[in-house]
Amino acid sequence: KQEVTQIPAALSVPEGENLVLNCSFTDSAIYNLQWFRQDPGKGLTSLLLIQSSQREQTSGRLNASLDKSSGRSTLYIAASQPGDSATYLCAVRMGTASKLTFGTGTRLQVTL
Amino acid sequence: GAGVSQSPSNKVTEKGKDVELRCDPISGHTALYWYRQSLGQGLEFLIYFQGNSAPDKSGLPSDRFSAERTGGSVSTLTIQRTQQEDSAVYLCASSLDHSGRGLKGDYGYTFGSGTRLTVV
Repeated sequence: KQEVTQIPAALSVPEGENLVLNCSFTDSAIYNLQWFRQDPGKGLTSLLLIQSSQREQTSGRLNASLDKSSGRSTLYIAASQPGDSATYLCAVRMGTASKLTFGTGTRLQVTL
Repeated sequence: GAGVSQSPSNKVTEKGKDVELRCDPISGHTALYWYRQSLGQGLEFLIYFQGNSAPDKSGLPSDRFSAERTGGSVSTLTIQRTQQEDSAVYLCASSLDHSGRGLKGDYGYTFGSGTRLTVV
């Protein structure tokens, strides 16, 4: 059974800092991995999708890496801003016809 | 449509009543998923529809929960005889989904904004 863990559970950083969020999964035979953000009381917004054959994806200040063999992904946020404050979730998909298994999330607060 | 649309956005119901939640996926997405997020909890998979295949109902918590997807598009999640522990945000997502090889394209999920259900 796939298990997804995110560390840390919560993180507070001052504005401008670069930060790394971690995601680990127990079964490395994934199809893809997706990072989402969730704002309080809202749904999920997709940030980045990494296919199993890829090593990283970038979008603006965000960079996600994937190391399938070690069962890890990281989300790097450069020059953090207060608007980045949210819960960040990673989720893995095992096959083309498969549900997502979510991590428990990292709650990020970026302070002024 | 441009995104996944869910209605209603909020629903307050009395214990014991039935409720219906609606999801309108992105046009052309063949896969549709329902998840539930209870206060302070992670996302819990409920049910998955893929084209004309039999749905994967393995996540439904009890027989009070059912879902259908008509015409391969809109889906409704029905909760009968609601209980207070059913209070949660119900999230719908859709994606492109295929079986076979040589797949191309982005098979990421797109989520709706959710329906916040409160059972009083």
